[in-house]
Amino acid sequence: KQEVTQIPAALSVPEGENLVLNCSFTDSAIYNLQWFRQDPGKGLTSLLLIQSSQREQTSGRLNASLDKSSGRSTLYIAASQPGDSATYLCAVRPWDRDDKIIFGKGTRLHILP
Amino acid sequence: EAGVAQSPRYKIIEKRQSVAFWCNPISGHATLYWYQQILGQGPKLLIQFQNNGVVDDSQLPKDRFSAERLKGVDSTLKIQPAKLEDSAVYLCASRFKLSTDTQYFGPGTRLTVL
Repeated sequence: KQEVTQIPAALSVPEGENLVLNCSFTDSAIYNLQWFRQDPGKGLTSLLLIQSSQREQTSGRLNASLDKSSGRSTLYIAASQPGDSATYLCAVRPWDRDDKIIFGKGTRLHILP
Repeated sequence: EAGVAQSPRYKIIEKRQSVAFWCNPISGHATLYWYQQILGQGPKLLIQFQNNGVVDDSQLPKDRFSAERLKGVDSTLKIQPAKLEDSAVYLCASRFKLSTDTQYFGPGTRLTVL
């Protein structure tokens, strides 16, 4: 059974710092991995999607990497800003399930002004 | 392009009462999902529709939860009777067609069961 773990559960860093959020998954047979952002009272917004054949994806100040063999992904946020404060969720799509995605519990990020 | 719409945004009920949530997906999206997100947890899939047919409802507590998507567009999720442990945010998401497309999420309905 695929399980997704995110560490740390919560993180506070001063504005301007670079930071890394971690995600691990137990079964390396995945179709893709996705990072979402969730703001309080709002739904999830997709940030980056990495296909199983890819090693990383970049969007602006965000960079996500994928090491499928070790079951790990990281989300790197450069030059953090207070507007980056949110919960970040990692989700994997198992290879044998056409459409189902399995979420981690998320990391609550707070950027200190 | 309008996003996924959900209503109500908040609902407070007492245990054993009934409640219904409504979702309007993005126009043209064939696949619709309902998720349950308990505080501090990631979303858990309850049911997935492809047009008006159910694809996966393996994690839907069918003794109390029901969902329908009669015309392949809007969907409703009902809980009857509600239990304390049903307190959660209920998220609706939709996807266009291709399995490589991402899911688009609505703002969710926060349910509190007293």
